[in-house]
Amino acid sequence: EAGVTQSPTHLIKTRGQQATLRCSPISGHTSVYWYQQALGLGLQFLLWYDEGEERNRGNFPPRFSGRQFPNYSSELNVNALELEDSALYLCASSLDPIQWNEQYFGPGTRLTVT
Amino acid sequence: GQQVMQIPQYQHVQEGEDFTTYCNSSTTLSNIQWYKQRPGGHPVFLIQLVKSGEVKKQKRLTFQFGEAKKNSSLHITATQTTDVGTYFCAYSSNTGKLIFGQGTTLQVKP
Repeated sequence: EAGVTQSPTHLIKTRGQQATLRCSPISGHTSVYWYQQALGLGLQFLLWYDEGEERNRGNFPPRFSGRQFPNYSSELNVNALELEDSALYLCASSLDPIQWNEQYFGPGTRLTVT
Repeated sequence: GQQVMQIPQYQHVQEGEDFTTYCNSSTTLSNIQWYKQRPGGHPVFLIQLVKSGEVKKQKRLTFQFGEAKKNSSLHITATQTTDVGTYFCAYSSNTGKLIFGQGTTLQVKP
């Protein structure tokens, strides 16, 4: 069974640009979560999508947005990039978001903003 | 909102020594999960605890959920170099959000 996949592996952007990160969940999983992990810090919850809808978001500005497609894959968009957006962005998926929220993580996208 | 505090932040041990990380909450948790992130890797789910006083074992790892469901611990017996990484506790809120502790980074000296 394929795990959660993310692309690209690395992304280098300049300040002010936009970044698009992609995630494909495990087959059969309908929930996709996005986290930001800045260097030396823990995982900060960004967004949760389930069945194509945004269910919850963390304390991030509106320039962090995303969507979930009918095949449950997801995209994270970061507009007007700032230097402090440099981080590892992790996507995770789960089968049942409420009852059993075991999450499976992808390898992440390392975003560097210069 | 609820937060979970993990201690210690860092731990250096000699190979063969035991290691314990603690996760504490000021409020009752419905569940607690533990994840391990190897250096350069991504978090990997280890276990979930849901019952008061629950204890689960995975080989050299022992996980406990406190009687009041406000704290949890992960204990590793006789650490090995393969245990190196950051261990996170997390709880699942009733809104489906998973809230992570700050993690404990374990270094094992051979």
